[in-house]
Amino acid sequence: DTAVSQTPKYLVTQMGNDKSIKCEQNLGHDTMYWYKQDSKKFLKIMFSYNNKELIINETVPNRFSPKSPDKAHLNLHINSLELGDSAVYFCASSRDVSNQPQHFGDGTRLSIL
Amino acid sequence: GENVEQHPSTLSVQEGDSAVIKCTYSDSASNYFPWYKQELGKRPQLIIDIRSNVGEKKDQRIAVTLNKTAKHFSLHITETQPEDSAVYFCAARTGFQKLVFGTGTRLLVSP
Repeated sequence: DTAVSQTPKYLVTQMGNDKSIKCEQNLGHDTMYWYKQDSKKFLKIMFSYNNKELIINETVPNRFSPKSPDKAHLNLHINSLELGDSAVYFCASSRDVSNQPQHFGDGTRLSIL
Repeated sequence: GENVEQHPSTLSVQEGDSAVIKCTYSDSASNYFPWYKQELGKRPQLIIDIRSNVGEKKDQRIAVTLNKTAKHFSLHITETQPEDSAVYFCAARTGFQKLVFGTGTRLLVSP
């Protein structure tokens, strides 16, 4: 019973392609996040949604487009993939936007050839 | 914006020793400070957190201290075990509702 689940776990694709990563949480949380972890292990917030509304949008290329169809899902679509997009992408959720722990998914390792 | 610095970047200890990881933050409005442990190839997992109205918090072998005046907080692990080996991240939650992570500390506990 994974609390925050992401699919796929691995994604290997060519430069220029478009791909999506899906995330679902069964914790009943209101807030969801996307993080990028680069090859040096640095974790950086990309987006956050609260009750399906975008509340954090960091300096991310507009090739990245998040979508939250409902509170339990937050997907990430990436257009025109570039070599620099290679990273591990983590989805996370928290009960709400206050000082609550964030629970991470297992990550999606994206490799661009 | 918020900047979180974390030291050391690597830490090697013998089993049974204590380990201390330190972080400083820049935004005085930050009010929540979690610590995450990430094992190789796994997700970050919360191990302990502290809020700005508390100076210290303990959970078995793990403790976190917070000095709001100096804007730094530390993770203390006592009686380290080989299974404590991992990368540890500190983070600070800013007034803009986002978590800013430190650069990580690779802890290696040798038997």
